[in-house]
Amino acid sequence: ETGVTQSPTHLIKTRGQQVTLRCSSQSGHNTVSWYQQALGQGPQFIFQYYREEENGRGNFPPRFSGLQFPNYSSELNVNALELDDSALYLCASSLEPAYNEQFFGPGTRLTVL
Amino acid sequence: AQKITQTQPGMFVQEKEAVTLDCTYDTSDQSYGLFWYKQPSSGEMIFLIYQGSYDEQNATEGRYSLNFQKARKSANLVISASQLGDSAMYFCAMREGPGNKLVFGAGTILRVKS
Repeated sequence: ETGVTQSPTHLIKTRGQQVTLRCSSQSGHNTVSWYQQALGQGPQFIFQYYREEENGRGNFPPRFSGLQFPNYSSELNVNALELDDSALYLCASSLEPAYNEQFFGPGTRLTVL
Repeated sequence: AQKITQTQPGMFVQEKEAVTLDCTYDTSDQSYGLFWYKQPSSGEMIFLIYQGSYDEQNATEGRYSLNFQKARKSANLVISASQLGDSAMYFCAMREGPGNKLVFGAGTILRVKS
């Protein structure tokens, strides 16, 4: 059974650019959540996708958007990058939104210069 | 207001000893869940233990136990017989109501000394 994978591992962008991060959920999992973890802080919930629909969103501006595909993999898109977007972006998958157990990927480290 | 508070930025423990990591939470929901995750330097969040608000018994998973005191709104993690591999960042998290969207605390970094 393949775990949650994320790509790329690291990314460097400049202010104003756009970025797409990718997440492959664990086999059989239809729910993917995205979290932003700034340096020295706990992760913050960005949004969740369930069966290709957004299923809840945290306190993030609209320039953070996402997609979930029929195979339940997911993308996080961030437009007009700001310096404060520099963080580790984690995705987590679960069997269903109500399942307590989530499996996290290794994260994508985004640096905005 | 902070929903999850972890007051210990860092902790040291001697190998083979027990250590308690503190977590207090704030919610007005009757149904909620509390989690502990371990984050090694590699970045991946590893699920350790879960306690539901209606669970009467404290959760245990191997060397991990959760000291759940509902009236005090605390959910402390106890790691018994610490190992060098336990050195990592530890996060307390909560879900409110249905679903599994989590709110995390700021974390406690644990260092196990040999």
